[in-house]
Formats: sequence, structure tokens, C-alpha cells
Amino acid sequence: GAGVSQSPSNKVTEKGKDVELRCDPISGHTALYWYRQSLGQGLEFLIYFQGNSAPDKSGLPSDRFSAERTGGSVSTLTIQRTQQEDSAVYLCASSRGGYPDTQYFGPGTRLTVL
Amino acid sequence: AQKVTQAQTEISVVEKEDVTLDCVYETRDTTYYLFWYKQPPSGELVFLIRRNSFDEQNEISGRYSWNFQKSTSSFNFTITASQVVDSAVYFCASSGSARQLTFGSGTQLTVLP
Repeated sequence: GAGVSQSPSNKVTEKGKDVELRCDPISGHTALYWYRQSLGQGLEFLIYFQGNSAPDKSGLPSDRFSAERTGGSVSTLTIQRTQQEDSAVYLCASSRGGYPDTQYFGPGTRLTVL
Repeated sequence: AQKVTQAQTEISVVEKEDVTLDCVYETRDTTYYLFWYKQPPSGELVFLIRRNSFDEQNEISGRYSWNFQKSTSSFNFTITASQVVDSAVYFCASSGSARQLTFGSGTQLTVLP
């Protein structure tokens, strides 16, 4: 079946603008994760959704970052008032939601803030 | 909290050589899981293996093998008879009571023809 998909693959924006990044998880996967990969910080966890439970937002770096998951499937990560330090590859992963669990990653969205 | 250390930043080998990538983890969880992912130049993280903390059996899959030792908190990955296509960044990761993955900083493996 299809893997995790993300859109857009690349996004260039100006400092101060808002951006939305989209993730479509693998069909049937109930858990969804967002990570960020940057040169300086490596791979960092941002947020985790599991079914209808409240999301684990413990990795979000500031209140400019937020995420939603609609209908238990598609997720959107929103960054408001983007800063140059937000430039990174944003990776989405999904898993079946059991324990233990294996996360499968999408191709990522490369965000560049000018 | 989890911590994963990959001390080797870059490794370069000649094709057909064996190569071992080191991973050391720290955790307070009694039940935890260890992973290896591969990130080729295309950028997508590809899952390779998952091991459980209560299962120290080593594993071999084709040219890949993994050595999990709780006594040294290590989960090393060996590629036998390396090939150019093995060139990638390899990440070790862990998870425990918190479901999210904690990644090491990655090891860039370059296999020269």
C-alpha cells in the first residue's frame, strides 16, 4: 500500500509569513508524529497524535507551532510568523498505534525561510 | 528520558569491506525499544530493525547484523561486504514510556567503489 505522503515537498517563504505543512499517514495507522531535522539540532520530536487522545505537544519549540489532525487521518503542522531558524526538513511518521510500535516516515517537507 | 549517542560522525570504507556502526543508549525505562533507520541521499528515513529491551538475541538479515548488549548499553550495526548503495546516513533511535523516537546524531557512511 501507499506510504506516508507529505506536501509540499519544498516550501520557500519569507520571514514573518505563516506556513502549513500537510501529512497523509498510512491507511489504518492511528498514531502520527511530526519531527524536525535541521543541521544544528539533528532529528527532533515535535508532536504526537494517538487516536482521539489529546496530542503530546511536549516537543513543540514555541507557541508559533501548532498541529491538527482531522478525522484521525490527515494532519497539518502550522508555523506562524516564521523565523529563519525554522528552516529545516519537517518529517511526518505514522504507526499502527500499538506497543511496541514502528514508525514509518514520509519524504519530508523542506522549509526555507528567507 | 532517552539519550542516544552515535560517536562516529563519518565513516568511509572501500566496497566489500565490513563496517560497524556504533550506538550507545541511556534510559531509565525498564522496557524500551531500539531502532536503526537509514537515510539515503534521497532523504527519506527507511526503517531497518527494531529490538526490544528484553530480547538480547542478535540478529542477522542478509548482509546486515545487529549486536544488542544491555551490559554495555550498546546496539551496534554491522554491514558485511559493503556496497556503494549502502552509502547513507544511519540513525540509531530509542523509545520507551514516551512513544516518540529519540535519535542519535547519525553516522554518515560512504562506501567507495
